[in-house]
Amino acid sequence: AQSVTQLGSHVSVSEGALVLLRCNYSSSVPPYLFWYVQYPNQGLQLLLKYTTGATLVKGINGFEAEFKKSETSFHLTKPSAHMSDAAEYFCAVSLVSGNTPLVFGKGTRLSVIA
Amino acid sequence: DGGITQSPKYLFRKEGQNVTLSCEQNLNHDAMYWYRQDPGQGLRLIYYSQIVNDFQKGDIAEGYSVSREKKESFPLTVTSAQKNPTAFYLCASSRADALWRGQFFGPGTRLTVL
Repeated sequence: AQSVTQLGSHVSVSEGALVLLRCNYSSSVPPYLFWYVQYPNQGLQLLLKYTTGATLVKGINGFEAEFKKSETSFHLTKPSAHMSDAAEYFCAVSLVSGNTPLVFGKGTRLSVIA
Repeated sequence: DGGITQSPKYLFRKEGQNVTLSCEQNLNHDAMYWYRQDPGQGLRLIYYSQIVNDFQKGDIAEGYSVSREKKESFPLTVTSAQKNPTAFYLCASSRADALWRGQFFGPGTRLTVL
């Protein structure tokens, strides 16, 4: 069965510092991988996704993530944090084959300190 | 504009009452989903439907019921059997034949039991 582990329920960074949010997945077959962002009292917005091809994927708001099959990881990064990046971030996995819902990690809350 | 709408945004319920949360989409998506979100627990799948007149239980279906009479609509009823219904509820949809596109989320309904 698929599963997703997000290391760190809360990450705090200074404005302008590197953002690194960690995600490891477990899947017996090649997965699709997603990062979503959620602002308070709102729904989830797709940030970026990995399906096939290039392992470094770029998303909205300057975020990017790298799929590393050998490490079963899909960490999210941004070179320079902005105050507006403060939100909750969710990693999710879906099987390439089959028709099953996404499996989500428990989320990481990002705080940005001025 | 295509999207997912959820209503109401805030809902208050007395103990022992059933309440129905609305979810409508005009994206022509086949699949629809209901998630429950509690602080620190991520998103937990309640029910999902991949086609009209069919739906499957998710991880926490007890105390909830759904119907899928129309492709556009997937209402969720929180019954009095649900012991702790206070939470944020998110509806999502996706193309059943294109999981690589990910799921699209509505803005959510916050349910509070008084």
